[in-house]
Amino acid sequence: DQQVKQNSPSLSVQEGRISILNCDYTNSMFDYFLWYKKYPAEGPTFLISISSIKDKNEDGRFTVFLNKSAKHLSLHIVPSQPGDSAVYFCAASAHLSGANNLFFGTGTRLTVIP
Amino acid sequence: GAGVSQSPSNKVTEKGKDVELRCDPISGHTALYWYRQSLGQGLEFLIYFQGNSAPDKSGLPSDRFSAERTGGSVSTLTIQRTQQEDSAVYLCASSLSGGFSNQPQHFGDGTRLSIL
Repeated sequence: DQQVKQNSPSLSVQEGRISILNCDYTNSMFDYFLWYKKYPAEGPTFLISISSIKDKNEDGRFTVFLNKSAKHLSLHIVPSQPGDSAVYFCAASAHLSGANNLFFGTGTRLTVIP
Repeated sequence: GAGVSQSPSNKVTEKGKDVELRCDPISGHTALYWYRQSLGQGLEFLIYFQGNSAPDKSGLPSDRFSAERTGGSVSTLTIQRTQQEDSAVYLCASSLSGGFSNQPQHFGDGTRLSIL
């Protein structure tokens, strides 16, 4: 039962344009959401997170938006750079219920075309 | 380095053998997690350690899997009588604290386990 879903397995974007990666979740107890970036043969690297008390968090070129009513979050990367090419994982946890483990989506492979 | 360190990076073993995977968390991180990623799948939670509390073992797929964390630092994941379906990348993560604080988990590069 996949509680976190990334329905787009891949995305291609031109350099300099915006990349939008989407994620949906089903568990209304999730209150902490994260995005990770993964290169081949490396572990996931933490990018940005958002608590359920917010609807937006921004860090440089990366912005995460959370729509709790739709159980949807997205990661915007602008401007996209070739070095952003990687697999992006969305993750969520239900911190306030004491469950600290992360539930991950299956990832979206982003390719930024120079 | 200052990151999460895992060893070995690759392990190939025969079906039925026992394997031990090691994780050195980031210094000062009290929470430690094990996940695995099977081919074509997302990361799957296995076990979580927080300080001296009893571990959350709810993700362990069978009693062939066990883990311990000595001295609140290094952790070892043991798989007994390995099966081919155990083949996966095993990832360890640590965070500054668990409990009710929102702290991101930082991952090691994983151990790629292949069961022949």
